[in-house]
Amino acid sequence: QVQLQQWGAGVLKPSETLSLTCAVYGGSLSGYNWIWIRQSPGKGLEWIAEIIHSGSTNYNPSLKSRVTMSLDTSKKQFSLKLNSVTAADTAVYYCARVVSGGYSDSGIYRSRRAFDIWGQGTMVTVSS
Amino acid sequence: QSVLTQPPSASGTPGQRVTISCSGSTSNIGRNTVNWYQQVPGTAPKLLIYSDDQRPSGVPDRFSGSKSGTSASLAISGLQSEDEADYYCAAWDNSLNGYVFGTGTQVTVL
Repeated sequence: QVQLQQWGAGVLKPSETLSLTCAVYGGSLSGYNWIWIRQSPGKGLEWIAEIIHSGSTNYNPSLKSRVTMSLDTSKKQFSLKLNSVTAADTAVYYCARVVSGGYSDSGIYRSRRAFDIWGQGTMVTVSS
Repeated sequence: QSVLTQPPSASGTPGQRVTISCSGSTSNIGRNTVNWYQQVPGTAPKLLIYSDDQRPSGVPDRFSGSKSGTSASLAISGLQSEDEADYYCAAWDNSLNGYVFGTGTQVTVL
């Protein structure tokens, strides 16, 4: 049974760098994409960054200038760094596994992606 | 930022059927499959429905999903007290080249 365990600093000051790591237990990194998602207090979900097992990344355009996501296959871990944080970055941060694929429907390619396993979440508070 | 629109709340008595809508556009729901997530407050979201209408192993069959055009729906039949949670739809968006989520619906069992 695959599980994700995440950790990182929970309190930051404005302008500092958020750093989170997610470890994969009971499974492999290969064959899947991996993602970071956050949820601001009382708000909905927001995609931050995604990485595929080859190391290619895809970032939310609204955060792209401040985000770096990386993969350590030897440790079966992936990480998130978000620099120059402000109070607006206060949120619960989740790591998750992405099951991705797609199919052709009358000549149109349709993407099929789901987050099937989630980490427990890390509350990150940015405050001076 | 939430791009998919859901009603903020829905409710029903035990045993009733509740339906939650999710409205998007041609670049997300109209083009790609929809997933639904259930989130009990204080816990991580859980995948409830994937590929529009498929249930992961272990999800009760009282949960069902459907899609038509640029809208999707989640139905809960035979509502139970443990179904009290927040529900989110999500899909890949070709214009954004990323994921979009719904605004979330809080389901209350009366």
